[in-house]
Amino acid sequence: EAGVAQSPRYKIIEKRQSVAFWCNPISGHATLYWYQQILGQGPKLLIQFQNNGVVDDSQLPKDRFSAERLKGVDSTLKIQPAKLEDSAVYLCASSPAGGYYGYTFGSGTRLTVV
Amino acid sequence: GQQLNQSPQSMFIQEGEDVSMNCTSSSIFNTWLWYKQDPGEGPVLLIALYKAGELTSNGRLTAQFGITRKDSFLNISASIPSDVGIYFCAGQPLGAGNNRKLIWGLGTSLAVNP
Repeated sequence: EAGVAQSPRYKIIEKRQSVAFWCNPISGHATLYWYQQILGQGPKLLIQFQNNGVVDDSQLPKDRFSAERLKGVDSTLKIQPAKLEDSAVYLCASSPAGGYYGYTFGSGTRLTVV
Repeated sequence: GQQLNQSPQSMFIQEGEDVSMNCTSSSIFNTWLWYKQDPGEGPVLLIALYKAGELTSNGRLTAQFGITRKDSFLNISASIPSDVGIYFCAGQPLGAGNNRKLIWGLGTSLAVNP
């Protein structure tokens, strides 16, 4: 099966600019996650969708970050305006509904804010 | 937020040696997962554990769900150069319900000297 697709792979922007990341999960996976991974750390959950509804966005900085999942398939994560500390890899993952907990991750988007 | 205590932080070993790493929590978990992350890629699921005491193998990898439900171990036998990477443990705390939110360790960086 095709994996989780993410784009772009790399993005360099200046602080205060905006940026958007795109994710296409594995076909049929009801649950989609966006993670932020800062260099040297484990992934940190930003937002979790079940179909097109938000399950958990408690760690999403909502003053600057937004995410949507239209029609329960693709998802976009936006940062506006970006700060230097937003430099990280943004990982998208998906999993089927039901009792399976292991996610499948995409390759991520490496964001550098200068 | 809550994090798992993963150790060691890094390891440098000779090819052919066995490797052990572990993950501990102050609270009970009902799922333990072990992931490997190569540079520039998202984490890839290695082993999933769902029952206390469970011992599961995947090739040269063996992982165990601790009896106390507060720890897990990953062993790699006869290491080879392609084992290089960062290994993450992740788990779901008891009572987390259906949101599938994982708590992550900070990773163990493994280097293998050929």
